[in-house]
This record gives sequence, structure tokens and C-alpha cells, in this order.
Amino acid sequence: QVQLQESGPGLVKASETLSLTCAVSGYPISRGYYWGWIRQPPGKGLEWIGTIYHSGSTFYNPSLKSRVTISMDTSKNQFSLSLSSVTAADTAVYYCVRHGTVVTTVRFDCWGQGILVTVSS
Amino acid sequence: QSVLTQPPSASGTPGQRVTISCSGSSSNIENNYVYWYQQLPGMAPKLLIYSNNQRPSGVPDRFSSSKSGASASLAISGLRSEDEADYYCAAWDDSLSGVVFGGGTQLTVL
Repeated sequence: QVQLQESGPGLVKASETLSLTCAVSGYPISRGYYWGWIRQPPGKGLEWIGTIYHSGSTFYNPSLKSRVTISMDTSKNQFSLSLSSVTAADTAVYYCVRHGTVVTTVRFDCWGQGILVTVSS
Repeated sequence: QSVLTQPPSASGTPGQRVTISCSGSSSNIENNYVYWYQQLPGMAPKLLIYSNNQRPSGVPDRFSSSKSGASASLAISGLRSEDEADYYCAAWDDSLSGVVFGGGTQLTVL
């Protein structure tokens, strides 16, 4: 059974960098699937942040691309999100997901429980 | 403003059939698969429909989906109280080279 677990600080100061890690168990992230991040501001809808493949290929939401980096550590079976220059608009629940075997499919079939990150001024 | 357009709310009584629409364009829905997600209150979203009309194992056949041109719809038949949730459509967008979501539809079971 594939399980994903987000971790990281729940509070980040404005203008600083938000950093989260997703630990994956039950499946090697180096095998076949893409892995990604999605966020959801309180009371609002879902927003795709970006996706990574074990080859190093990354795909980012154009609206966030200048501030986002997604990386992967296959030896630890985990991947990470870095979002720089955060503002209050980046306050959200952040989910890590298994994306699917083809990036153009939107088959997010496994989700972490989500972690609330609040940006404080 | 979401790239895919959904009605913000929908409702029905137990046993009824309800549909939720999702409207896009030629860069997303018309030329790519549509996916639907169910988000129960306080929970992470769950894959409900993939590849336009396929149900993952464990999803009841009360849930179905169809696509026509640049629009798609999710149908829930035999509505149950546990279906009360937010529903999101999603697709790959060729112009943006990324994933786009609808704004979500909050389904209320009256």
C-alpha cells in the first residue's frame, strides 16, 4: 500500500522560503511514476504546483514557476518542494501526490494527508 | 479564476440523480482525458474518475462521467448522504503545459 506523508514547518514568515518534504512508503519513487505537489488555500479550490520524475524532469505551474523548485532523493524515497518569497497568498494546505505514469494524465491516485502552512507577516 | 468552469454548488435529495458540469477548451478537455476528484469534509481529495469515464476499484458504479467536445459531466445516481462533498474536475492543458482544475462544486444532499 502506497503512503505519502508531508512534513515541514507549519509557519513561515513572509518573504522567506517554504520547504516541505514528502516521504513515500510502499513504492519506490524511482520506478515509473511521476510525483507532485498540489495546494489548497483555506476554503478554496485545488491548485497544481508541479510534478517531478525520477529522471529529473520537472513540470511547474506557470504562475508559480519563478518561485518553485521540486527535487527528489531516491535514496531516501522522498521528494521535496521549495517555494520562495512567500506571501499570505501562499497560505494553504499542501498535498503531495503520486501523479501517474504519464505526465499528461492527471491521475493523482495517492495523496498525502496534507499539511497546513501559514505565512505570517 | 479557474481554467475549467464548474458550478459552485449543486444539490439533490437522497435517491436522486445529480450532474455536475465541467467546461474547458480545446487545449484541455477536448484533447485530453478528464479526471474527477471527490473531497469529503476535512479530508484529502480522492480520485473518483480517471481517463474520462473509468472508475478506480472501490468507487461505486453510481458515479459515472462523460465527455463531449470541450465539456464533461459527472453524474451521481441514487444520491446518498455520504456523497455530500466537494467535486473537482481536472485535465492536462497543452497550452499551459500543466494541470488545470475546475473551481470545485459543493454538493449538498438535502
